Amino acid sequence: EVQLVQSGAEVRQPGATVKISCKVSGYTFSDFYIHWVQQAPGKGLEWMGLIDPEDGGTIYAEKFQGRVTISADTSIDTAYMELSSLRSEDTAVYYCSTGGLWWGQGTQVTASS
Amino acid sequence: DVVMTQSPLSLTVSLGQPASISCRSSQSLVYSDGNTFLNWFQQRPGQSPRRLIYKVSNRDSGVPDRFSGSGSGTDFTLKISRVEAEDVGVYYCMQGTHSWTFGQGTKVEIK
Repeated sequence: EVQLVQSGAEVRQPGATVKISCKVSGYTFSDFYIHWVQQAPGKGLEWMGLIDPEDGGTIYAEKFQGRVTISADTSIDTAYMELSSLRSEDTAVYYCSTGGLWWGQGTQVTASS
Repeated sequence: DVVMTQSPLSLTVSLGQPASISCRSSQSLVYSDGNTFLNWFQQRPGQSPRRLIYKVSNRDSGVPDRFSGSGSGTDFTLKISRVEAEDVGVYYCMQGTHSWTFGQGTKVEIK
C-alpha cells in the first residue's frame, strides 16, 4: 500500500521559515516526481513545485520562486518543502503528492504573530 | 502559464440526476508524445484530493463508473451520470502537460 505521511502542524511568525516533510512508502521513491500543493482556507488548490527524487531536479511555480525550496533524501524516502519569508497569506494546508494519484494527509501551516 | 477555467463554480443537483462540469485551458494540453494530461480530482470536506480521472477519460481504480471524462485539446468535461450523496465536494480539473495548474474548483451540493 502506498502511503505519503506528512509532518505535523506548524506555527511560525511572519518572516520565518517552515520546513515540512513527506515520508513515502509502498513504491520506489525515485520512480515518481513529488509535487507540493498549497490550499489556503476556503480556497482552491495551487501547485507550488516538484522534485525528481532520482536526480534532485526541481521546478517551481513562478508565484513561489525564490521563497520555496523542495528537496529529497533518498536514503530515507522523504521529500521536503521549505517556505521562507512567511506572510499571513501563506497560512494554508500543504499537500505532497505523487503524480496526483497518491496524496499526503496535509500539513497545516499558520503564519501569525 | 496555462490558465484552467472551470464552469460552473457551483452546482446544486438532485439525487439521481446528472451533473456536468466544464474545464477550458488557455492552450492546448496535447503533449509532444501525443498524450493529453488532463485530470479530474474530487475533494470532500476535510479530506485530501482524490484523483478520479487521468488523461482525459481514464477512471482511476475504485472510481464508480458514474464518473466519466471527455474532451480534447482545450475543452474538457466531467460528467456524473447520477449524483449520489457521497459525491458532495469540490471538483477540480488539473493540467499536467505544462507543469501543473488547477482550475478554480466546482462545488457540488445536493438539492
